[in-house]
This record gives sequence, structure tokens and C-alpha cells, in this order.
Amino acid sequence: SQQGEEDPQALSIQEGENATMNCSYKTSINNLQWYRQNSGRGLVHLILIRSNEREKHSGRLRVTLDTSKKSSSLLITASRAADTASYFCATGPFMNTGFQKLVFGTGTRLLVSP
Amino acid sequence: NAGVTQTPKFQVLKTGQSMTLQCAQDMNHNSMYWYRQDPGMGLRLIYYSASEGTTDKGEVPNGYNVSRLNKREFSLRLESAAPSQTSVYFCASSEYRVEQFFGPGTRLTVL
Repeated sequence: SQQGEEDPQALSIQEGENATMNCSYKTSINNLQWYRQNSGRGLVHLILIRSNEREKHSGRLRVTLDTSKKSSSLLITASRAADTASYFCATGPFMNTGFQKLVFGTGTRLLVSP
Repeated sequence: NAGVTQTPKFQVLKTGQSMTLQCAQDMNHNSMYWYRQDPGMGLRLIYYSASEGTTDKGEVPNGYNVSRLNKREFSLRLESAAPSQTSVYFCASSEYRVEQFFGPGTRLTVL
């Protein structure tokens, strides 16, 4: 079962354009994380937004969180060919030990053409 | 710092064979995880180890066993491989309440 579902499944844009991808989740959360995966590689953490935050920035990345709609969005501004990758949202419950059991969505495949 | 390392990078098995995937991290993280990634399915948690000496089942544990050898190492064993276990396997580690760090993955094909 997937906690997060990304939309769209695939996105194709030109360099310099902005890319927006969305994530919807099912249950209340403590935080939501976004990861990037380049083809054939492991996932790399991009940004974490906590449930009491509405917006967070990191370089060209902007993440928003709407807990009333159980959704988050990731905006990449002024995209570059190097941004071509799959992007995943992930969230999940904290266990008694403080460990977070993340559940990942199926991802958005972003293609940025020169 | 190597981060999270996995061996082997690629493996081909015949149905019924066994093998162990190795994972090590040098970040002194308490928690470690094994995921599998299949096309269109995202990552699914197989097993995790919240801290040294503990292991627990994730979403898809059937057909797998794990060992948390010490704080650095967390291995995944397939006792009798099946074609349904053809996948890319990722190991990850984290400290409490922060992001996970992933290894480069092992591509496993079971014929």
C-alpha cells in the first residue's frame, strides 16, 4: 500500500521552465520528504517539510504542504537537463523508538530537454 | 566517507539458489533498511533495523531474512530465490527523525 501518490507520473519540459509535481497521502503525518533518483542510482534526499510548516525552500526547490488536503507539491524552478530524474515523496509513522517507517510513492519521471 | 555501500552491484541467480546481499554504512547511523524497487511500484520496505540488535518486518518480507551484524552492517539473505524476487535492492540508513541515505543498489535477476 502506498502512503504517497505522485502526480503526474511523467513530465516533459524544456530547460528553463518550471516543473511542478504533486503528492497526495492518506493519513496524518509528522513530516513529508522528497527524494530524487537518477537513472540506475540510489535515492538522494532533497528536502523534508514538517507538518507544522506550509512552505520550505532549498536552492531552486520549493515545497509546499497542505495538511487539510493531505497534499504536497515540489516545484523546481529554472530547470536544467541535470534535473532529469524520478522524484518521490515519502512519509510514514514514527515508531516508539523514534524510528520513522517511510512509505514511498511511485514517483514522477521528469525529463528536461535542452 | 563512503556513505552506504552495497555488494554486489549485479547478480544473476537460478531459481532455488541462495545468496546474501551485503550493506555497510560509515555514518554511525542507528537505523538501517532494505527496500526493493520494481517498475511502477516505487520502493517497498522489506525489513528494517531500528537499532543494533533489532530487526523487524516491513511491507514485503516473505522469502527474505536479515541480519544486523553490528552497527555498520545489515545483510539481506534470499534462501531460495524465485523469479518474483527479480528486482533492484536498495539499502539505506538514517539517524532518528531525519532523512534516509541510500546505497547504489543491487540489480538481481532470478532465472
